[in-house]
Amino acid sequence: ETGVTQTPRHLVMGMTNKKSLKCEQHLGHNAMYWYKQSAKKPLELMFVYSLEERVENNSVPSRFSPECPNSSHLFLHLHTLQPEDSALYLCASSQGLGPGAFFGQGTRLTVV
Amino acid sequence: AQSVTQPDIHITVSEGASLELRCNYSYGATPYLFWYVQSPGQGLQLLLKYFSGDTLVQGIKGFEAEFKRSQSSFNLRKPSVHWSDAAEYFCAVGAGYGGSQGNLIFGKGTKLSVKP
Repeated sequence: ETGVTQTPRHLVMGMTNKKSLKCEQHLGHNAMYWYKQSAKKPLELMFVYSLEERVENNSVPSRFSPECPNSSHLFLHLHTLQPEDSALYLCASSQGLGPGAFFGQGTRLTVV
Repeated sequence: AQSVTQPDIHITVSEGASLELRCNYSYGATPYLFWYVQSPGQGLQLLLKYFSGDTLVQGIKGFEAEFKRSQSSFNLRKPSVHWSDAAEYFCAVGAGYGGSQGNLIFGKGTKLSVKP
């Protein structure tokens, strides 16, 4: 139990599908993040939410749409993805200058 | 621009041997530095972090790291490696205001293999 739970763990979707990734943190943190981990590339920060407001969006294509309805939940809505979007999507949470960011186990996404 | 370099893509050490993983960073201000470990199919686990103060930082699982400002380095060390340490290790610098814990720039990672 890492304190940050991501579902589903694996997802295969077609390019015309719409799906959502879910992240839930049980740590009482006030910031949540989406990262993308592709083969042979560094982990890339996609979105940052602090106190349920988006504070950073690192030039992510609009086919990725985040949602943070409350401080414990974070979603990543996906639509009309491309095969190059196949990757491990990691969610993380943190609290101020506390003990560091905690990561979920990730969702392995394959776009076919 | 901020960046993190991990020059070694893959390292193999014998069980019981010492380990040093290299990390160099480029950052304009005082950096907030982290080391994470990722086992296959898993998320990232924080090993240790440096914010200020003592430049030798102790972490979990017997790891330590030393911040050297003059060399822009934050190398990870362990005196005796165990087979369970085989994983991928990521160095990161905090890019957000106040070293925001989750707003991180990562290196490409170093994969550690351990020989029996």
